Amino acid sequence: QSVLTQPPSVSGAPGQRVTMSCAGTSSNIGAGYDVHWYQQLPGTAPKLLIYGNINRPSGVPDRFSGSQSGTSASLAITGLQAEDEADYYCQSYDNSLTAWVFGGGTKLTVL
Amino acid sequence: EVQLVESGGGLVQPGGSLRLSCAASGFTVSTNYMTWVRQAPGKGLQWVSVIYSGGLTYYADSVKGRFTFSRDNSKNTLYLQMNSLKPEDTAVYYCARGLVEMATIYFDYWGQGTLVTVSS
Repeated sequence: QSVLTQPPSVSGAPGQRVTMSCAGTSSNIGAGYDVHWYQQLPGTAPKLLIYGNINRPSGVPDRFSGSQSGTSASLAITGLQAEDEADYYCQSYDNSLTAWVFGGGTKLTVL
Repeated sequence: EVQLVESGGGLVQPGGSLRLSCAASGFTVSTNYMTWVRQAPGKGLQWVSVIYSGGLTYYADSVKGRFTFSRDNSKNTLYLQMNSLKPEDTAVYYCARGLVEMATIYFDYWGQGTLVTVSS
């Protein structure tokens, strides 16, 4: 059971917009710790997608955006492409566990 | 160019030991936060350990007392000494560089991972 809760799967057709959530608690996201997002393509290492809730590293398309409110965060992908099919993980810090924590991951399927 | 290359994984019996290495290039490990993250087969990511630039280390409860994170500044290399290994430690182990943002650390560069299998 992950400290951060993500839906196991989401799907969308090419060109559509999808969102995925990351639910935390008052000891992590709700305590003001930023949320970061990673994309993991099949058989590869995770890649940083969003840091500090809303920031995109250089090279990440602006189709990807992040938001945060209260004890949860969201990742949105617009103009869905086949190459976006991957697992997506949120990550933050939990002060009651004194640990960096990940969500269980969301598998995105492009229909 | 920043690169992280892990090595040292393999098959080990329960109760055994293994030392993973992570060779870094393109930056200096001693001035950065560095971390190990693992991923069991078919499962999600799990944070394992972090070493601060000052040398302070933290561990997940599941590995505390069994794993030791260290670095060799002269070789710009990180190590994860894993003792008393259990079948549930079976995973791909990634090393990653950490950057600080609003009291959290996020991981901007990752290695390709090394597989550790604990089985008799």
